[in-house]
Amino acid sequence: AQTVTQSQPEMSVQEAETVTLSCTYDTSENNYYLFWYKQPPSRQMILVIRQEAYKQQNATENRFSVNFQKAAKSFSLKISDSQLGDTAMYFCAFKETSGSRLTFGEGTQLTVNP
Amino acid sequence: EAGVAQSPRYKIIEKRQSVAFWCNPISGHATLYWYQQILGQGPKLLIQFQNNGVVDDSQLPKDRFSAERLKGVDSTLKIQPAKLEDSAVYLCASSSPGLGEQYFGPGTRLTVT
Repeated sequence: AQTVTQSQPEMSVQEAETVTLSCTYDTSENNYYLFWYKQPPSRQMILVIRQEAYKQQNATENRFSVNFQKAAKSFSLKISDSQLGDTAMYFCAFKETSGSRLTFGEGTQLTVNP
Repeated sequence: EAGVAQSPRYKIIEKRQSVAFWCNPISGHATLYWYQQILGQGPKLLIQFQNNGVVDDSQLPKDRFSAERLKGVDSTLKIQPAKLEDSAVYLCASSSPGLGEQYFGPGTRLTVT
């Protein structure tokens, strides 16, 4: 079974600075997808960024980018120019290519301070 | 495009009572998921539907939880009887074929007293 581990329960960053959230996973699969979801206090889970394991290039979405290290099974999220609206719980998630089930980590609570 | 709709947003019940949650997925999404998210944890899949058939219910406590998706669109999740440990946010999500990106609803926060 796949497992996803987020070792940082809480992180904080000053507005406009950069922060990196860590995620590691365990799988015997070669092809899969990795995701970062954001969950603000409203509880709405919002997809931030997606990475396909067969792609060597790291995914980027505006201020959000990932550092995907397949051999190390590591998938960190970098948020540049942090904004107050980035304050939320961030979840790393794994999905097999052949399946639909998402396996989530425990989450990292990010607080952006003014 | 309308997102995933869920109701109610909040529900408080006493233990041993029953409760039902409703979900309307994004139009055209064949796959529907129900997740349970206990405070301080990541969501855990309870059940997955493909159209109106169950694909995965391996983590659904079947002695008290049930779910259905009649006509392959809306879905209801029921708990009967509720226990204190059922207090959680219940999230519904839907996805279309292909990358299968899941879109989540706003969730229902259940408190069992």
